[in-house]
Amino acid sequence: EAQVTQNPRYLITVTGKKLTVTCSQNMNHEYMSWYRQDPGLGLRQIYYSMNVEVTDKGDVPEGYKVSRKEKRNFPLILESPSPNQTSLYFCASSLSAGVNTEAFFGQGTRLTVV
Amino acid sequence: QQPVQSPQAVILREGEDAVINCSSSKALYSVHWYRQKHGEAPVFLMILLKGGEQKGHDKISASFNEKKQQSSLYLTASQLSYSGTYFCGTQEARIFYNQGGKLIFGQGTELSVKP
Repeated sequence: EAQVTQNPRYLITVTGKKLTVTCSQNMNHEYMSWYRQDPGLGLRQIYYSMNVEVTDKGDVPEGYKVSRKEKRNFPLILESPSPNQTSLYFCASSLSAGVNTEAFFGQGTRLTVV
Repeated sequence: QQPVQSPQAVILREGEDAVINCSSSKALYSVHWYRQKHGEAPVFLMILLKGGEQKGHDKISASFNEKKQQSSLYLTASQLSYSGTYFCGTQEARIFYNQGGKLIFGQGTELSVKP
């Protein structure tokens, strides 16, 4: 089954404790991205990757890191989480960065930083 | 630049129609529409391309006015299953030609269909 898998689904952590949210897709997609969803603000892009070893900042990259060592995986790293990073996070992938490429979303990770 | 959606929320009775609008201040290459049910991931509905035709499937259709940089999503004879938050995602022409398919999403429109 074609899917984007995120882990964990729920995470409660303390300020400053490094964490990683994993994202994996099995569709051989080139383009992957991370979004955060906050009430009234919709989905805002954090980072994106157009292919292996090619990553770039989205609209709200502060406090986050990513890597793309393999095509299927695109982990999101919070080196020193803060309470303002409490949010619902989605990973998404699409075939390429071109047109006619729908985005497939993971099930989301609800992160709480206390 | 984040597109602006209107209305922010709408409540319907089954069988009623609704229109959700998405407006950008930037020249657009395409507009995507997604629906997110409560507690789930957004799911793709359709893409409208610059110069393309109005799209639709079942009783949900959409249009793209390139001159006004606006898209509208039309839901006719709404069903309970239409409830959820609808997002438009835009690909700005300038960014598309330089950086590929970066999608910028609007803030969402919450649609509730009541029996």
